[in-house]
Amino acid sequence: DAKTTQPPSMDCAEGRAANLPCNHSTISGNEYVYWYRQIHSQGPQYIIHGLKNNETNEMASLIITEDRKSSTLILPHATLRDTAVYYCIVRVAGGIYGGSQGNLIFGKGTKLSVKP
Amino acid sequence: DTEVTQTPKHLVMGMTNKKSLKCEQHMGHRAMYWYKQKAKKPPELMFVYSYEKLSINESVPSRFSPECPNSSLLNLHLHALQPEDSALYLCASSQEALAGGGDTQYFGPGTRLTVL
Repeated sequence: DAKTTQPPSMDCAEGRAANLPCNHSTISGNEYVYWYRQIHSQGPQYIIHGLKNNETNEMASLIITEDRKSSTLILPHATLRDTAVYYCIVRVAGGIYGGSQGNLIFGKGTKLSVKP
Repeated sequence: DTEVTQTPKHLVMGMTNKKSLKCEQHMGHRAMYWYKQKAKKPPELMFVYSYEKLSINESVPSRFSPECPNSSLLNLHLHALQPEDSALYLCASSQEALAGGGDTQYFGPGTRLTVL
């Protein structure tokens, strides 16, 4: 089972920041937080990941709380093309050497709808 | 470049047919994955290959037969499928056993399979 809890859906106005929350209260010390998104009928797209520090790349920012029990993915200026299902996943890094804990286990995600 | 390619994009087959799905990556990744995604559901892991050897089989029925002929290619051979096997089949690849979450999985666009 997925180790994360996300709201099933969210709306965001185009041009505004989209803040997607994720709860992972049972996260272990060696587990990373990963975010992927899936636009309708396409393959999942990697967005960002982090362990305990906040991370930023060209797509998004990831804010992880100090106790690591929750995180927020921020899309700073949402566009219509950001409409997708966003998945928050916790996993042990280290490929198959992480054992089954290294597997990507997708939950139901958050359906983000960006509206004009 | 983080491209994973999959062919064909769409496939329709009868229950007595034999067909194959193909996946290719040229990122030097040594781990490759097959996922299955039913409509309105998240992706589910089927198989993991590491250094061209099968390392994880998530109790997938034998009518699905994976093959990794070399480090860049991954096949999924299909035989005697059932209509309930209709789904989006996703391939992914990653590096191996790297610290810092460097074994991020990158997904292909998927093959949409319909079994009649």
